[in-house]
Amino acid sequence: TQLLEQSPQFLSIQEGENLTVYCNSSSVFSSLQWYRQEPGEGPVLLVTVVTGGEVKKLKRLTFQFGDARKDSSLHITAAQPGDTGLYLCAGASTSGTYKYIFGTGTRLKVLA
Amino acid sequence: NAGVTQTPKFRVLKTGQSMTLLCAQDMNHEYMYWYRQDPGMGLRLIHYSVGEGTTAKGEVPDGYNVSRLKKQNFLLGLESAAPSQTSVYFCASSYSEESYEQYFGPGTRLTVT
Repeated sequence: TQLLEQSPQFLSIQEGENLTVYCNSSSVFSSLQWYRQEPGEGPVLLVTVVTGGEVKKLKRLTFQFGDARKDSSLHITAAQPGDTGLYLCAGASTSGTYKYIFGTGTRLKVLA
Repeated sequence: NAGVTQTPKFRVLKTGQSMTLLCAQDMNHEYMYWYRQDPGMGLRLIHYSVGEGTTAKGEVPDGYNVSRLKKQNFLLGLESAAPSQTSVYFCASSYSEESYEQYFGPGTRLTVT
């Protein structure tokens, strides 16, 4: 069974601080996505990484896929209150069954 | 273009009652998924479909049934609701196996008493 563990589970920081969220597994994934979810809404895709070692940037957010495609990180520079939300990583199965494994989530709160 | 819609948004059931959750997408996506989200457990896949007329089990299929009679609709049924099925249910769709990007609906909050 493929599992994805995220850390930290909760994070409360001041506006302007930097932070990193980790997504780890012992399994290999064909691709990995990061989503952000607002209260009362469904998750919204932020980025997809496919190649081992790949780095993608989305404004102040930097995503990295591990070389072995087993882990990923999300780094936010100069966090803003608008970054508050639940961050989820999701790995796509390599077995070709179109199944996605979601991480346990990191709840981020950025204080003004 | 509404994306993925879910009906209803909220529902309260008594133990043993049945209900059907409806998911509809207007993006011509082949793949559709039903997840449940519980505190501290992320999203868990219940059932999924890779095309009209096909369904398959996910991680936590027990107590649920699904049907995909039309490409744009994916129904999730609870035949005899149990308190353990209290959760927020999300439907998602994606275009193809080359595109793993999923688009989610707004969710249905179900409480079973």
